[in-house]
Amino acid sequence: GAVVSQHPSRVICKSGTSVKIECRSLDFQATTMFWYRQFPKQSLMLMATSNEGSKATYEQGVEKDKFLINHASLTLSTLTVTSAHPEDSSFYICSAQSRENYGYTFGSGTRLTVV
Amino acid sequence: AQSVTQLDSHVSVSEGTPVLLRCNYSSSYSPSLFWYVQHPNKGLQLLLKYTSAATLVKGINGFEAEFKKSETSFHLTKPSAHMSDAAEYFCVVSDGLFSGGYNKLIFGAGTRLAVHP
Repeated sequence: GAVVSQHPSRVICKSGTSVKIECRSLDFQATTMFWYRQFPKQSLMLMATSNEGSKATYEQGVEKDKFLINHASLTLSTLTVTSAHPEDSSFYICSAQSRENYGYTFGSGTRLTVV
Repeated sequence: AQSVTQLDSHVSVSEGTPVLLRCNYSSSYSPSLFWYVQHPNKGLQLLLKYTSAATLVKGINGFEAEFKKSETSFHLTKPSAHMSDAAEYFCVVSDGLFSGGYNKLIFGAGTRLAVHP
C-alpha cells in the first residue's frame, strides 16, 4: 500500500534555531501534501496545503514566514520551522494525497521539542 | 460548511465486549467520511471510509461503520474489543469542495478508547 516516510520522528532543538521536517511518498506521486500540528490530547489542526510546484496555502492564523513549506517534487515535501520557540513544540504530521486515487496517506509524525 | 462531532472524548470497555464510538457530521455536500486510528506518538492509520457506495462499511481489524443520512451519523463499531484496540480514534469528513485539485479533511476532536482486561 501507499507509504509516506516522515523524518525525523523526534527532534529537540534550541530556541531560535530552525528545524526541517521531511515527508516522502515512497511508492506513489503526491499531488497534494497537507501539514498538520497536534497538541497533546487534541485533534489535528491543518496548517497548510501544498501542491507540487506551487506556493503553499496556509490556514488562517498560521504564519507562513515561520512555517516554510516546500513541495519541489511529486514525492517530497518539507516543513521548516524557523526561529523555533518553546510554544512551537508539538507533534507535526504530514498527509499526502495521491494523484492516482485521491486517497490520503499519513506520515508517522515528528515530535518537536524546543528548549 | 462541513463539521464533525465525536460525542465521547473517552470510552472505556472490557476486552471481549463491543465497542461503539459515536460520530455525527454536518455537510452541505454528499460527504466522504473516514475513521482513523492513532496509537501514541504515531501517525494515523485509515480504518475505513465511506464514499457514497454501501452504507455499511467494513474496515480493517474487525471495525465497521454505518452511514445514516437521516441521523447524520457515522458511528464506528466492533463486536469484540481487543487490548490492541486501545488508541485515539478520529472521525473525519472531507470538505467536498475539491478546490485547487484537492479536498481538505476536517477532523473530529477524537475519542480515546481504553480497553481493560
